[in-house]
Amino acid sequence: QKEVEQNSGPLSVPEGAIASLNCTYSDRGSQSFFWYRQYSGKSPELIMSIYSNGDKEDGRFTAQLNKASQYVSLLIRDSQPSDSATYLCAVESGGTSYGKLTFGQGTILTVHP
Amino acid sequence: SAVISQKPSRDICQRGTSLTIQCQVDSQVTMMFWYRQQPGQSLTLIATANQGSEATYESGFVIDKFPISRPNLTFSTLTVSNMSPEDSSIYLCSAGGVEQYFGPGTRLTVT
Repeated sequence: QKEVEQNSGPLSVPEGAIASLNCTYSDRGSQSFFWYRQYSGKSPELIMSIYSNGDKEDGRFTAQLNKASQYVSLLIRDSQPSDSATYLCAVESGGTSYGKLTFGQGTILTVHP
Repeated sequence: SAVISQKPSRDICQRGTSLTIQCQVDSQVTMMFWYRQQPGQSLTLIATANQGSEATYESGFVIDKFPISRPNLTFSTLTVSNMSPEDSSIYLCSAGGVEQYFGPGTRLTVT
């Protein structure tokens, strides 16, 4: 059973702070890792993908991957109230599971002014 | 990224009936999937919609309950059959390659 676990949250940070979201996964053969943002009443929106160990930066977002520790994280710098949403970690295992995503339970982030 | 539309956006149905949800992608895509998101929960994969062949279902989901069609590389349907209140969920299709993009979802309420 492939599992993806996220820090339980909810997470509340002040505007301008760094929000740190964490995720661990059980399948050591996992190939691809994604962060989705889901606003209330909306569908998930892909915000970051990462495939190799290290950091990947895109604007205020940085994804970090450590395959040895089976750990992936998302940092949001200079957090804004508009970042308030549920963040979903998703993992894809490749091979016969190409494209199939296993999701964590999500972390609710609230950024307060 | 693919642009995905779904119809209907929401519906209220009586138990014992069936609903067919349509998913349309603006470009040809390799992979299409159907997910369910129960209230307050994360997403669970129902099945892979295979073009030209039978869908591949995940554990706990069966073809008789969730028949899926994929007649071409841009379109798929999911039917929720013989519905019960436990089927009340948001149903989402996704499409793409290794990066998957989601449609807006269909909010189903079964009374």
